[in-house]
Order: sequence, then C-alpha cells, then structure tokens
Amino acid sequence: QQQVKQSPQSLIVQKGGISIINCAYENTAFDYFPWYQQFPGKGPALLIAIRPDVSEKKEGRFTISFNKSAKQFSLHIMDSQPGDSATYFCAASGGQNFVFGPGTRLSVLP
Amino acid sequence: DGGITQSPKYLFRKEGQNVTLSCEQNLNHDAMYWYRQDPGQGLRLIYYSQIVNDFQKGDIAEGYSVSREKKESFPLTVTSAQKNPTAFYLCASSILTSGRENTQYFGPGTRLTVL
Repeated sequence: QQQVKQSPQSLIVQKGGISIINCAYENTAFDYFPWYQQFPGKGPALLIAIRPDVSEKKEGRFTISFNKSAKQFSLHIMDSQPGDSATYFCAASGGQNFVFGPGTRLSVLP
Repeated sequence: DGGITQSPKYLFRKEGQNVTLSCEQNLNHDAMYWYRQDPGQGLRLIYYSQIVNDFQKGDIAEGYSVSREKKESFPLTVTSAQKNPTAFYLCASSILTSGRENTQYFGPGTRLTVL
C-alpha cells in the first residue's frame, strides 16, 4: 500500500511534443504529490507539486493532473524541449510517510 | 545561501575500508534522509532521522551506519560490510511540521566508487 507506481519507464518525444508521465498510488492517507526532475550526476530538484483538493496545477509548461477517485496523477510537459531531457520521479507524501515512484527517463529529440 | 551540502563530490574507496559521507543542511529542517541510487535506477532509502539522536533504518540499511548528533548534520558511514557500495548517494531533508507539505530537498550527491 506504500508503493507508488510510475509509467512509462522511459519516454522519447520529439521537440515541441507533449510528454506525459503517469503515477498511481494506493494509500488514501497520502495528501501531497510532488514531482522531481533529476539531471545526470545531480540531485533531484522539486519541479511542481499538488494537493488532492485541486484537480490540476500548472506552472509554465508543466502541468499536474490529479484524479482523486482513481488515485492517479500525471505530469504533462507541453512544448517539450531537449533541455527537459532528464529523469522524472513522482512522489506521494502523507504525515511522515514519503514514497518515490521508480522514475521515468525522458529524452526529447531535437 | 540556504541549502543542503554534501561532500565530497567524488569518493574512492579500497575494499575493506570504511568511508564517511558528509551531509549538512542550514534549512532548519527536522528530518534528514540518505538514499542510494544505482545507474538508471530509482531512489532507495538507506536511513532517515526525524529528530536529533534518533534514526530509523530504511529499506537497505545493511552495511551502513548513521549518526544525528546535531540537527544540521547527518553523516553516513559506508562500512566494509556493504558488499556493493559503488553508487550515487543522495542526502535530503524536510520539515515535519503538522499541516505543512513534507517536501524533501536534495543535496548534489556523492559518487562513491570502490577500487
């Protein structure tokens, strides 16, 4: 119940396309869902986060969509750029519990 | 500047040696964490600490040890009992105040290589 599932494992998108990464959770006690971006050799950095009282949050080209009833959330990267090529981790947090998804490696082709 | 620092950036160890990785934060965060990341893989929790002088084992604690003598410091020792220690080690910290988002903030990482 503590797992967060993430798909796809890897994703290749053309420049200007939309990248979509999906995550699902089981534990209904989770109440905070951040996404992290990690470049090779660097630590993960917080990208965007959402609480379950909203269904969507947008920051620039990055949007989180949240479906509370399905216990699913997704990251959409609009107008994907080669500089977006990185590994993306979703996470779920509730109280003192914090769980990461296994990560998605995104490659944006020029 | 506020943040999390890890040192060294690169570390080489001979088999049979213990090594200690440093992690310091000046964010006044309550909790600190150590993760291990293998190439192309996700984050695996080694140890975490929610308060000074207390820490808990994560999923892969065998062969590692930690201490939390100060709020801002959480060093990780990789002992000779860790059979495959070559990996990228990440330290993180977070606030644990009730009602606040439990966001973890990461340091830049230490890459450990066993020779």
